[in-house]
Amino acid sequence: GAVVSQHPSWVICKSGTSVKIECRSLDFQATTMFWYRQFPKQSLMLMATSNEGSKATYEQGVEKDKFLINHASLTLSTLTVTSAHPEDSSFYICSASGQGAGEKLFFGSGTQLSVL
Amino acid sequence: SQQGEEDPQALSIQEGENATMNCSYKTSINNLQWYRQNSGRGLVHLILIRSNEREKHSGRLRVTLDTSKKSSSLLITASRAADTASYFCATDEDDYKLSFGAGTTVTVRA
Repeated sequence: GAVVSQHPSWVICKSGTSVKIECRSLDFQATTMFWYRQFPKQSLMLMATSNEGSKATYEQGVEKDKFLINHASLTLSTLTVTSAHPEDSSFYICSASGQGAGEKLFFGSGTQLSVL
Repeated sequence: SQQGEEDPQALSIQEGENATMNCSYKTSINNLQWYRQNSGRGLVHLILIRSNEREKHSGRLRVTLDTSKKSSSLLITASRAADTASYFCATDEDDYKLSFGAGTTVTVRA
């Protein structure tokens, strides 16, 4: 089946630094990618929808200048958490859909971000 | 965005027993999907049921959908320790944009 690779799996950074998370579709063209955030023991909350070659659409309450999303190719989307603070510590997950993926969404394995 | 409600929040069963969890949602959907998440990991797609379907099976999984009640159930039969995970329902309203339920944490005791 379709595979989505997310990297890194975990990252620890100092407050004020920026962190980039990559999400790659390995065997299909991901025309749309989604970024979610998940706090411990809670559900996934959609942050933004990213379409290849266009600006991401952010959900209400998500700061677009803080969570920069780039979907420059059909196989790669990146989420950059800028000037990270401890409250940004969370589990971030991407998912992708597109030609070759059928009706399903395929999820990356997630990135655990810890901001000190 | 819509968010489904799931119950129970947590479930603990003995290996070999069946596990049933329910999901309710609020608006019209294209389809409803169930996912499994092991602790600290990504989501694994389990099963998709379309809005015009009432029941679907996949291995030890059985999913029902009642669009009149806006609810779905997931049954795991003959549970195994490896089934220990969190299970989420997700509704697809438009173009793969999923809304997730709060999840049910299942613990299968050996």
